[in-house]
Amino acid sequence: ILNVEQSPQSLHVQEGDSTNFTCSFPSSNFYALHWYRWETAKSPEALFVMTLNGDEKKKGRISATLNTKEGYSYLYIKGSQPEDSATYLCAFCNFNKFYFGSGTKLNVKP
Amino acid sequence: DAGVIQSPRHEVTEMGQEVTLRCKPISGHNSLFWYRQTMMRGLELLIYFNNNVPIDDSGMPEDRFSAKMPNASFSTLKIQPSEPRDSAVYFCASIFNGPGGPVNIQYFGAGTRLSVL
Repeated sequence: ILNVEQSPQSLHVQEGDSTNFTCSFPSSNFYALHWYRWETAKSPEALFVMTLNGDEKKKGRISATLNTKEGYSYLYIKGSQPEDSATYLCAFCNFNKFYFGSGTKLNVKP
Repeated sequence: DAGVIQSPRHEVTEMGQEVTLRCKPISGHNSLFWYRQTMMRGLELLIYFNNNVPIDDSGMPEDRFSAKMPNASFSTLKIQPSEPRDSAVYFCASIFNGPGGPVNIQYFGAGTRLSVL
């Protein structure tokens, strides 16, 4: 069984706060690392696909970094807004299989 | 494209009945995944297909579960007989899996919420 761990499990922040969370994964047999945003009662929606060590991706106020040698990725949200409230999932991919972490549930209070 | 289409959206059935969940992947995508979401285990991969061929079904809980992909535009996940512990949300997802591996985005369907009474 391949372990993908995300921390923290949940996070409560005020509107305007910046926040970050971590995804840890095995450093061997790495193909890709995916980040998803998952709103309640909807389906996961891809944010980033990261493949190279040192990759940095950005989409609006959300950005992510990747370290494949040590097996971690960070997701950053700058100036959180209530609409950012969701569960953020990472998925480690090797040999065409996706292994999901349990997610970080973010709640942004107005 | 309409995205990944799953049906039904909700299914309520009685223990012992057969349940069939359906999925239409995005046209042109060559890999299809079935996931199950539960409170206890989060999102777990059940099985995935590449070019309509089942590649890995090690996540399928037991023999009561079976999945098929008769062509590139249709897949089914069948549970027979169903049990209350099968109650969960089942997601289908598809991706274009190129020579470099799954570096493209995986698109999820809206899910089927299954309740087995």
